[in-house]
Amino acid sequence: RKEVEQDPGPFNVPEGATVAFNCTYSNSASQSFFWYRQDCRKEPKLLMSVYSSGNEDGRFTAQLNRASQYISLLIRDSKLSDSATYLCVVNSGAGSYQLTFGKGTKLSVIP
Amino acid sequence: DADVTQTPRNRITKTGKRIMLECSQTKGHDRMYWYRQDPGLGLQLIYYSFDVKDINKGEISDGYSVSRQAQAKFSLSLESAIPNQTALYFCATSAGDKGVQETQYFGPGTRLLVL
Repeated sequence: RKEVEQDPGPFNVPEGATVAFNCTYSNSASQSFFWYRQDCRKEPKLLMSVYSSGNEDGRFTAQLNRASQYISLLIRDSKLSDSATYLCVVNSGAGSYQLTFGKGTKLSVIP
Repeated sequence: DADVTQTPRNRITKTGKRIMLECSQTKGHDRMYWYRQDPGLGLQLIYYSFDVKDINKGEISDGYSVSRQAQAKFSLSLESAIPNQTALYFCATSAGDKGVQETQYFGPGTRLLVL
């Protein structure tokens, strides 16, 4: 059972491009949503939380569609330093503090 | 200095050996977690602890045990290591004060190879 599914990667994009990642989750009771970033052989780090109204942090925009159980991450003006694996993460149910991680989508930004 | 540290960072062991992975944090967080990550797979929760007296199994606890020695320390043991426990192990912490929308902070990971 795949609880959190993400776009298959890798995404290879030129610098300056806009790239979008999609994620779907199966548990309709999930309440919290995140995008984490993981550099090669390093620990995951929170990129941004995702709120129902959508939220933006600089070049990054996250959207949530609860009806479709769909989360997205948009990266504008890609930088070489954006190269990483992006993990879609949701909590495991109503009131749950356990997180379910997607397998991640690898992004390579090319000069 | 890192807020969440893990020791050792790399470990090679043989099938059947008992090993312990240690995690320490200086963030003052109550909640601590152990995950494993396999190539091409998402992180999977092994055990979690919401305070020193609270230990809970995650989705893949078989073959593992944990000990929460103090608020700042959470160790993971493999009682009798087997090759399919070869993985990257992460410890994480969270504050427990923001409901379900709270960030988990990860340690640098321990690479374990079981021969």
